[in-house]
Amino acid sequence: AQSVAQPEDQVNVAEGNPLTVKCTYSVSGNPYLFWYVQYPNRGLQFLLKYITGDNLVKGSYGFEAEFNKSQTSFHLKKPSALVSDSALYFCAVRDPMIKAAGNKLTFGGGTRVLVKP
Amino acid sequence: DTEVTQTPKHLVMGMTNKKSLKCEQHMGHRAMYWYKQKAKKPPELMFVYSYEKLSINESVPSRFSPECPNSSLLNLHLHALQPEDSALYLCASSLADAGTYNSPLHFGNGTRLTVT
Repeated sequence: AQSVAQPEDQVNVAEGNPLTVKCTYSVSGNPYLFWYVQYPNRGLQFLLKYITGDNLVKGSYGFEAEFNKSQTSFHLKKPSALVSDSALYFCAVRDPMIKAAGNKLTFGGGTRVLVKP
Repeated sequence: DTEVTQTPKHLVMGMTNKKSLKCEQHMGHRAMYWYKQKAKKPPELMFVYSYEKLSINESVPSRFSPECPNSSLLNLHLHALQPEDSALYLCASSLADAGTYNSPLHFGNGTRLTVT
């Protein structure tokens, strides 16, 4: 089975401050991990992924995430948040040991980020 | 702008109506997906098509009927829906990666469905 948890429903941060959105996962093998962002009345936009290789992954819009196998975490970070980063963020995991004809992701519950000016 | 186009953007239908949602992509992706998303909740997978064949059905009620006419198009036919089926329906596509499906999903902006 594969699962992912986002422990914070909402994160508030002042513009210019660092932003962290937490994600922990559970899979039987090595995970494939993804972060998506959703703006109101829009679909999800891909930010970054970890499949293998460097634990620090850089993505779109200045976001990065660090894969930590011992802590089973994949926290999303941005050094300096912008008001325009206010949105709903989803972490997603896939267990490659589960054979499926498709990128069958399990999404976390989402974290709403509010960046205040 | 999204590279996955969904129509219509909004749809209101009665419980006895038949309607269809449409999705189109021209990125050469051979995997296409339907998701259902309730307000402030994560997307829930409904169906996956791989190389135009239905590969995953997440035990979706038969009042939802998917169709993949070709590699660029994905439809979701709706019949006899219930008010609780009101939601944002998202289409997505991805590369098939020679069967490994490692690539991220590209989502459309969705169809906001209201069942009255």
